[in-house]
Amino acid sequence: SQQGEEDPQALSIQEGENATMNCSYKTSINNLQWYRQNSGRGLVHLILIRSNEREKHSGRLRVTLDTSKKSSSLLITASRAADTASYFCATDEAGSQGNLIFGKGTKLSVKP
Amino acid sequence: DTEVTQTPKHLVMGMTNKKSLKCEQHMGHRAMYWYKQKAKKPPELMFVYSYEKLSINESVPSRFSPECPNSSLLNLHLHALQPEDSALYLCASSQVGWTEAFFGQGTRLTVV
Repeated sequence: SQQGEEDPQALSIQEGENATMNCSYKTSINNLQWYRQNSGRGLVHLILIRSNEREKHSGRLRVTLDTSKKSSSLLITASRAADTASYFCATDEAGSQGNLIFGKGTKLSVKP
Repeated sequence: DTEVTQTPKHLVMGMTNKKSLKCEQHMGHRAMYWYKQKAKKPPELMFVYSYEKLSINESVPSRFSPECPNSSLLNLHLHALQPEDSALYLCASSQVGWTEAFFGQGTRLTVV
């Protein structure tokens, strides 16, 4: 089953610009996470936001969560070519055993 | 040590072969996961082990057989696979009830 839907599917920006990716989900959740994947290899955890939180920061990352709209956004500020990757949101459904369900992902390309 | 190690990195197998994928972590995590990822798609959950017991099987065909011999190891035994099973197989681990997951680099499986 698939929970999150990312928007846009692909994003191309210049180095130094900000990148914003959005994620929508369908059910009540415990928390929402964002992961990054380079070139079809392993995923790296970026940030987790709990269902009772609205905003969280980590370095150049800013995540917001709107549980009333069942949506989240990931903002990467001052992007770098090294940020080029696919970004996935993942949720664990409230009442579940904590397994993560991933959205379709946004492929970000940052041009030098 | 915050690594999840998967072996092999690449595997080519025939439809009549039997092979195994291996995953190891030494972070003391008692939840371990297998995900399957097709090209340009998000990871799809296959199996969840919690305290070395299979807790979730997402209706995976019996030609995939998971095994968790101890708290550090997770195997995925493969038998009589089909070409459509070709994919990146990702292992992950986390603390039970805390879904920030650490992923391995994956095994890229090709079934011929």
